Amino acid sequence: GAVVSQHPSWVICKSGTSVKIECRSLDFQATTMFWYRQFPKQSLMLMATSNEGSKATYEQGVEKDKFLINHASLTLSTLTVTSAHPEDSSFYICSARDLSGVYNEQFFGPGTRLTVL
Amino acid sequence: KQEVTQIPAALSVPEGENLVLNCSFTDSAIYNLQWFRQDPGKGLTSLLLIQSSQREQTSGRLNASLDKSSGRSTLYIAASQPGDSATYLCALLPHDYKLSFGAGTTVTVRA
Repeated sequence: GAVVSQHPSWVICKSGTSVKIECRSLDFQATTMFWYRQFPKQSLMLMATSNEGSKATYEQGVEKDKFLINHASLTLSTLTVTSAHPEDSSFYICSARDLSGVYNEQFFGPGTRLTVL
Repeated sequence: KQEVTQIPAALSVPEGENLVLNCSFTDSAIYNLQWFRQDPGKGLTSLLLIQSSQREQTSGRLNASLDKSSGRSTLYIAASQPGDSATYLCALLPHDYKLSFGAGTTVTVRA
């Protein structure tokens, strides 16, 4: 089945530093990947849509200069949280859409827990 | 904008009881509806995906129905077990491919 990995699974960083999270589709190609964040006891909120070879599309209220997204290949998208602050602490989850799939299904990564001190 | 509501927010049942989780939505123009399970601190596990043209899907003890005309989906879990304790999320895929999630129902199955 379609597998999506994320790295790292958790990260702790100091305030003001930048953190990069990778999302990979392991056994399929994905021109589109999605980035979500989830606060404790809340549902997933879409942050941005990552398109291979073009700029990401950000949802309203998400700072594009704060959350840099790069989708350099059909199997890799990265999210960089720049100048991280404690309020950026959250669970970040990516998903990837299988181009060859007939059901438009998205497959989710295991998530990355970011803690900013 | 699609709004997805899940009721109840939390549910506690004794082992062996059947579970009924509800999901309602406002816009029926969707490709599919998907039910996920999320364990604490973990990612999402896809349980069932119902295509827009389908009425239900079944997998083992799980059965999900979809009624687009009324904007409702129901996830049934038969003969619940303590291992079924988790948060269950429903999500709708509209034609712009941006999934809309409900807030989830947190289920506790007591041994």
